[in-house]
Amino acid sequence: SQQGEEDPQALSIQEGENATMNCSYKTSINNLQWYRQNSGRGLVHLILIRSNEREKHSGRLRVTLDTSKKSSSLLITASRAADTASYFCATDASQNSGYSTLTFGKGTMLLVSP
Amino acid sequence: SAVISQKPSRDICQRGTSLTIQCQVDSQVTMMFWYRQQPGQSLTLIATANQGSEATYESGFVIDKFPISRPNLTFSTLTVSNMSPEDSSIYLCSVGRQGRGDREQYFGPGTRLTVT
Repeated sequence: SQQGEEDPQALSIQEGENATMNCSYKTSINNLQWYRQNSGRGLVHLILIRSNEREKHSGRLRVTLDTSKKSSSLLITASRAADTASYFCATDASQNSGYSTLTFGKGTMLLVSP
Repeated sequence: SAVISQKPSRDICQRGTSLTIQCQVDSQVTMMFWYRQQPGQSLTLIATANQGSEATYESGFVIDKFPISRPNLTFSTLTVSNMSPEDSSIYLCSVGRQGRGDREQYFGPGTRLTVT
């Protein structure tokens, strides 16, 4: 079953504005990751936040994690047209230390207009 | 990180035929993953391919439909067999680091398959 559920499904903003996307999940996790996909191509890893972390920054990206609510948010500040893409959260809930398998949410399609 | 290439990048195939997708990594990796992304949908894991052993398939996916090879630590193939229009999707391979700690995955550019 789908672990992550993003909202909104689609978001349209102007350049310079901030974009916030949310992700909810159902089970305990080791970490939560955000990926970007441009126009149906491969995914690019953006940021990973561990289950014992509450907030993490990377450039214009800010991710929060609330394990009590089983939710995460991705904030992109000062958006650019090049940020136009689909954004997916993925949860790592693997029980062993060998390797992780990720469960992806449905994604948020972000459109940033010049 | 790892650099991953896939061939073909896209293809249009007739129903009933099969297509083999190749995934090449620029470094040796233990685990490789194959995902399917149906139009407008998220990624669904098809199987995990470990070198030297049978692939592990997720619920809803079977070896007869999606046979996987993993002949060495830098290469894998996924075959989509006896295709139908419902198999039209983007197929992506990815690699992940093994062991404890943060384990993000790195994705290939995907193969866009259209079945007519």
